[in-house]
Amino acid sequence: EAQLVESGGGLVQPGRSLRLSCTTSGFTFGDYAMTWVRQAPGKGLEWVGFIRSNVYGGTTEYAASVKGRFTISRDDSKGIAYLQMNSLKTEDTAVYYCTVYGEIDYWGQGNLVTVSS
Amino acid sequence: QAVVTQEPSLTVSPGGTVTLTCGSSTGAVTSGHYPYWFQQKPGQAPRTMIYDTNDKHSWTPARFSGSLLGGKAALTLSGAQPEDEAEYYCLLSYSAVGVFGGGTKLTVV
Repeated sequence: EAQLVESGGGLVQPGRSLRLSCTTSGFTFGDYAMTWVRQAPGKGLEWVGFIRSNVYGGTTEYAASVKGRFTISRDDSKGIAYLQMNSLKTEDTAVYYCTVYGEIDYWGQGNLVTVSS
Repeated sequence: QAVVTQEPSLTVSPGGTVTLTCGSSTGAVTSGHYPYWFQQKPGQAPRTMIYDTNDKHSWTPARFSGSLLGGKAALTLSGAQPEDEAEYYCLLSYSAVGVFGGGTKLTVV
């Protein structure tokens, strides 16, 4: 059974950085693009960005709201995807999900990031 | 960045039929936007119900179907069940950048 577990969230001050990890098991991580999706408290889903599999160059795409501040990377040897978040703003406060969707559909349980002074 | 629009809320009677739509500020939604439909229930992570306009997962009940309708992506539920009450989000791809709609809260009553 596939599992995705996010970690690294918590309370951080505006302007600071945080790195989330998404540790996976139960599927061939290297074969799939990994996506990050977030959800502010009581709000809808927001697509954050994704990283293609290395077969497709391991390149990334980002939402306009995070481009230039967030960076997604992957370590296929460990089955882990990362979301590096810099210059955090209060509006980045959300539950962050890592996910693989498409022909398969796996989601983490979500990890809360709170940006507040 | 494009804006994706959904009905904020819809109500359907048990056994009834309802269509949720997903529009794009850039014009007609096409198969090239690879429309997805996600279901989310309170306290749970989302899950994909429909991908690539009309493809289903093994867990997607036959009563759900996806299509393109009048320049929008559409999710039709035929024979609604109480367990279908949830928030539904569409996702469109714009040159590999995803944009979610605001979600439709579907009530079955």
